[in-house]
Amino acid sequence: EDKVVQSPLSLVVHEGDTVTLNCSYEVTNFRSLLWYKQEKKAPTFLFMLTSSGIEKKSGRLSSILDKKELFSILNITATQTGDSAVYLCAVKRQGAQKLVFGQGTRLTINP
Amino acid sequence: DVKVTQSSRYLVKRTGEKVFLECVQDMDHENMFWYRQDPGLGLRLIYFSYDVKMKEKGDIPEGYSVSREKKERFSLILESASTNQTSMYLCATLYQGAGYEQYFGPGTRLTVT
Repeated sequence: EDKVVQSPLSLVVHEGDTVTLNCSYEVTNFRSLLWYKQEKKAPTFLFMLTSSGIEKKSGRLSSILDKKELFSILNITATQTGDSAVYLCAVKRQGAQKLVFGQGTRLTINP
Repeated sequence: DVKVTQSSRYLVKRTGEKVFLECVQDMDHENMFWYRQDPGLGLRLIYFSYDVKMKEKGDIPEGYSVSREKKERFSLILESASTNQTSMYLCATLYQGAGYEQYFGPGTRLTVT
């Protein structure tokens, strides 16, 4: 059975700190790993990773995938209160349409 | 911009009632999904549809059914609502362009009493 595990489940830091969120997975015929940010309502897409070792970057957010060790990290530098959200990790199999999601990490940034 | 709308933001129903949750998208996407989201469990796939009248069970289909009569509309049906179906329900569509982006609706928070 496919499995995605995120850690930590909850994290509270101060504005300006750097955070690292983890996502490990076990999936047959892995195709890609996706990160989403969920604030009050719908998750919004952040990154899709398919190749090991290639960093994806968007502003203060970056992510990298390790297909040998079966995990990904999401880094956020110089955090702001607007980064407070639940961050979701999901994996997709080859040829499948559906995603398998982790439990999410609730990140709270205090001013 | 892709728009995914859900019929209600908040819904309160009684045990045993039949409940319909509607999802409508405006981007002509073939694939549509229904998830439920519970604290500590993340998003779990209930059903998805890859074309009109086509559907496939997700990970937790028990107690639910779906209907896709038109491409833009995907309905989730709780045949006889139970308290353990109290949850946030999220609809999504799939764009398979350069990536694999699922676009989510705003969610329906369903409470079954």
